[in-house]
Amino acid sequence: RKEVEQDPGPFNVPEGATVAFNCTYSNSASQSFFWYRQDCRKEPKLLMSVYSSGNEDGRFTAQLNRASQYISLLIRDSKLSDSATYLCVVNSISGTYKYIFGTGTRLKVLA
Amino acid sequence: EADIYQTPRYLVIGTGKKITLECSQTMGHDKMYWYQQDPGMELHLIHYSYGVNSTEKGDLSSESTVSRIRTEHFPLTLESARPSHTSQYLCATGGRIQYFGAGTRLSVL
Repeated sequence: RKEVEQDPGPFNVPEGATVAFNCTYSNSASQSFFWYRQDCRKEPKLLMSVYSSGNEDGRFTAQLNRASQYISLLIRDSKLSDSATYLCVVNSISGTYKYIFGTGTRLKVLA
Repeated sequence: EADIYQTPRYLVIGTGKKITLECSQTMGHDKMYWYQQDPGMELHLIHYSYGVNSTEKGDLSSESTVSRIRTEHFPLTLESARPSHTSQYLCATGGRIQYFGAGTRLSVL
């Protein structure tokens, strides 16, 4: 079983749609959680950190459920420019800053 | 955001050649990382460094080696490139949050 699991998609959604991605992680000692965005043939870029209290950045909302070891990302009012792969990232062992990446979920927003 | 630079961006080379992928950062971060990513696959950590003269192997076994003689510089070397080394190599810097360079796409013929 992979340490971080994501539905690879692709998710094809129309502009303006709301889309949700999920991610599960296996190491209950994990401390930090992130969503990164990776465009085709580009480097990953931080989208947002994820906290238990939930956090929002414009159209993006992230949520962490430690009890279920589950992370989510909600994108509202999807734009064409949101088309990318969204990577769920977990800091696997406390204090080591070693990232574990999911395979990513591909999103394509259609006009 | 960190300024992190990787060269070359693309490299096509023959089997058996020695190659060095360069990574430099201008933010003074102690921690630096090398990841390998095949198309459509997840990133795997192959090397990391927590400071000058500190290097460790990552979770994915790699025939490459690294060095950290200066804070800002973290080069990766393959002594004898093989087709199985064909991949994208991404360098990152930072601590709790990591920032990535644009990557080097390596193709070994």
